Amino acid sequence: KQEVTQIPAALSVPEGENLVLNCSFTDSAIYNLQWFRQDPGKGLTSLLLIQSSQREQTSGRLNASLDKSSGRSTLYIAASQPGDSATYLCAVRPRDYGGSQGNLIFGKGTKLSVKP
Amino acid sequence: KAGVTQTPRYLIKTRGQQVTLSCSPISGHRSVSWYQQTPGQGLQFLFEYFSETQRNKGNFPGRFSGRQFSNSRSEMNVSTLELGDSALYLCASRTGYGTNEKLFFGSGTQLSVL
Repeated sequence: KQEVTQIPAALSVPEGENLVLNCSFTDSAIYNLQWFRQDPGKGLTSLLLIQSSQREQTSGRLNASLDKSSGRSTLYIAASQPGDSATYLCAVRPRDYGGSQGNLIFGKGTKLSVKP
Repeated sequence: KAGVTQTPRYLIKTRGQQVTLSCSPISGHRSVSWYQQTPGQGLQFLFEYFSETQRNKGNFPGRFSGRQFSNSRSEMNVSTLELGDSALYLCASRTGYGTNEKLFFGSGTQLSVL
């Protein structure tokens, strides 16, 4: 059974610092891995999607990496800003036994606070 | 282009009642999935509909049901509400599969069961 774990559960950093959020998953049979951002009481916003054949994706100050063999992904945020404060979730889309796509399995998230 | 719309935004019910939540996907999106989010369990998949057919169902009791209409709008129903059903219910519409997948979430319906 696929499980997704995110460490740490919470992180507080001063503005301007570079930071790394971690995500691990137990089964390497995945179609893709996605990183989302969630603001309090709101829905999720997709940040980056990495296909299983890819190693990394970049968008602005965000860079996500994927090491499928070790079951790990990281989200790197450069030059953090107070507006980056939110909960960051990673999710994997498993590849089912029959080869079809399973549904997203989420980690519980890392709550990031960037202090001015 | 309007985003994913969920109504109502907040809902308060009592144990034993039933509730219906609504989700309108982005225009042109035919896939709608539902998730339950609680502080303890995080985000858990409920079910996914594509062109009015349920494609997948998560590990929830039969009290949770859903449907999708011909215009892709979806509803989920929870009967005989329990205190543990209090959660943020999120719906997502999806375009593309595999390499070009894009997922868009609504702001959710916050359900409180008293």
